[in-house]
Amino acid sequence: AQSVTQPDIHITVSEGASLELRCNYSYGATPYLFWYVQSPGQGLQLLLKYFSGDTLVQGIKGFEAEFKRSQSSFNLRKPSVHWSDAAEYFCAVNQAGTALIFGKGTTLSVSS
Amino acid sequence: GAVVSQHPSRVICKSGTSVKIECRSLDFQATTMFWYRQFPKKSLMLMATSNEGSKATYEQGVEKDKFLINHASLTLSTLTVTSAHPEDSSFYICSAILTAEGNYGYTFGSGTRLTVV
Repeated sequence: AQSVTQPDIHITVSEGASLELRCNYSYGATPYLFWYVQSPGQGLQLLLKYFSGDTLVQGIKGFEAEFKRSQSSFNLRKPSVHWSDAAEYFCAVNQAGTALIFGKGTTLSVSS
Repeated sequence: GAVVSQHPSRVICKSGTSVKIECRSLDFQATTMFWYRQFPKKSLMLMATSNEGSKATYEQGVEKDKFLINHASLTLSTLTVTSAHPEDSSFYICSAILTAEGNYGYTFGSGTRLTVV
């Protein structure tokens, strides 16, 4: 069965420090991969997505993610975190036309 | 960009009553919409897939008679929580597939916070 694992439930990063959020997936075929961010009580905003091609994907707000097929991973990174990045981050996978399957999310806190 | 408008954003209802949540695609046709439920500090759980003009497909464990989904047009899908109980209190989010102009992806409504008292 398809699944997405985000091993870190909660991460705290100092403002200005780098960030890496982990995502591993289990899927029968090469999936489409997404990262979303959610602020409290809000909907989801797409940060970036990977379908094919260059395995390093650039997204909005300075985020990037790298698809590593051998590790079944799609980790999200940001070189310098801002206080406004504090939110819930979800990794998701699917195949074209089907519903997204979400990981359980990682809560990011940013300390000053 | 493609927008899905979800209403209401918040609703409080009495136990035993029904609540309807609407999702409208404002500038595109949404052949398929997905309905998710999110518990506090939890991930989004897919409830059902609705296709315009046909019956919704529910995920295992989701009561189709309690969560009625209607997708009567290409721009409107509704979720009705019937005979709501406190355990139905949750955050409900709709999503639509975008396939226009080679830009494949998903757009999400802003969510509905349902509180059953």
